[in-house]
Amino acid sequence: EVQLVQSGAELKKPGESLKISCQGSGYNFKTYWVAWVRQMPGKGLEWMGLIYPADSDTRYSPSFQGQVTFSADMSITTAYLQWDSLKASDTGMYYCARRASVHDPFDYWGQGTLVTVSS
Amino acid sequence: QSVLSQPPSVSGAPGQRVSISCTGSSSNIGAGYGVFWFQQLPGTAPKLLIYGDNNRPSGVPDRFSASKSGSSASLAITGLQPEDEADYYCQSYDTSLRGSAIFGGGTKLTVL
Repeated sequence: EVQLVQSGAELKKPGESLKISCQGSGYNFKTYWVAWVRQMPGKGLEWMGLIYPADSDTRYSPSFQGQVTFSADMSITTAYLQWDSLKASDTGMYYCARRASVHDPFDYWGQGTLVTVSS
Repeated sequence: QSVLSQPPSVSGAPGQRVSISCTGSSSNIGAGYGVFWFQQLPGTAPKLLIYGDNNRPSGVPDRFSASKSGSSASLAITGLQPEDEADYYCQSYDTSLRGSAIFGGGTKLTVL
């Protein structure tokens, strides 16, 4: 069974760093892209970008370029989304999802990680 | 302001048919990119509903169907059921955004 399991909710202060995770199982992790999608409170879905674990090729949405960093560790089939300095506007739910190839569907999703940034 | 435009809300009574539109442009849907549809039930992660313009993953009822014409697409739900009440999102890709994935703003379906 294909599963993407994300790390738990986080409460952080502005300026702090954070790394959340997404562990894939039930499929060949290194040959599927892992995408990250943000959903701010009460709002729609925003595509942040994705990473190909086999060679760490990363593609960032222009809106998120320079704001976050994607990484992956194939040995533990886990992808990461990282912030160096959080802002209150980073508050939201973050989902990971897998995709087989360019322009294929995001067919399996993680359960989401709620990130709250508040002083 | 999303690149793909969807109506904020639609509604229908049980058993009825509803349709949700997704309007794009020549740089995304009109460029020939596929359109995908996702269902997000309250408090849950999005779930793939339609891919490859009108294909359903295993387990998705055939009450859900989609179509595409020019720069627009639409999702139809027939035989509306209470459990269909959810947010629905269309998704495609855009050449003007370096091939980035793009989502519609989402449509809240209310089953009356």
